Amino acid sequence: TQTVSQSDAHVTVFEGDSVELRCNYSYGGSIYLSWYIQHHGRGLQFLLKYYSGNPVVQGVNGFEAEFSKSDSSFHLRKASVHWSDSAVYFCAVSPNNNRIFFGDGTQLVVKP
Amino acid sequence: EAAVTQSPRNKVAVTGGKVTLSCNQTNNHNNMYWYRQDTGHGLRLIHYSYGAGSTEKGDIPDGYKASRPSQENFSLILELATPSQTSVYFCASGWDRGNTLYFGAGTRLSVL
Repeated sequence: TQTVSQSDAHVTVFEGDSVELRCNYSYGGSIYLSWYIQHHGRGLQFLLKYYSGNPVVQGVNGFEAEFSKSDSSFHLRKASVHWSDSAVYFCAVSPNNNRIFFGDGTQLVVKP
Repeated sequence: EAAVTQSPRNKVAVTGGKVTLSCNQTNNHNNMYWYRQDTGHGLRLIHYSYGAGSTEKGDIPDGYKASRPSQENFSLILELATPSQTSVYFCASGWDRGNTLYFGAGTRLSVL
């Protein structure tokens, strides 16, 4: 079974902390990997994506993600979070550039 | 910035009634998608389209129909609405099948 797994349903940190949101997948072959953010009551917004090249990709607002083929992972990181980063984050995988499959999301809460 | 507009934003329907959710995108994207989002299920794909006149079944198509009369418009139709279809529905569009998606703000549907 091909899956996208976000192991943490909820993550709580304090403002200024670093954070890593985890994503693992089980697809083979060529894949696109993406992260999306969803603020409360809004639609999803694209953050960043990886297909090839440098395994560390930079996104908006200081987010970055690192691809690891050996671990089948694409974890999202931010060095210093702000209260406005509180949202739900979705990892997405597209095998062979065909359809996009989303994980169940990780709710990030940033406390002041 | 890609623009995807959904209407209505909120809808209350009666069981057995017909509901039409509309989606319009202004960036000439080939591909459009309808998802529903429920707590505990993440995003689930209902129907999608690769161009005007085409519709494809997603992972949970039962009880839903879709219509893509033009490049810009993609509708989701519930012929006989049921309470189990109470959810938040998102429309999205994109260039390639696995590439970046642009989401609408969502439609909150309650079927009583």
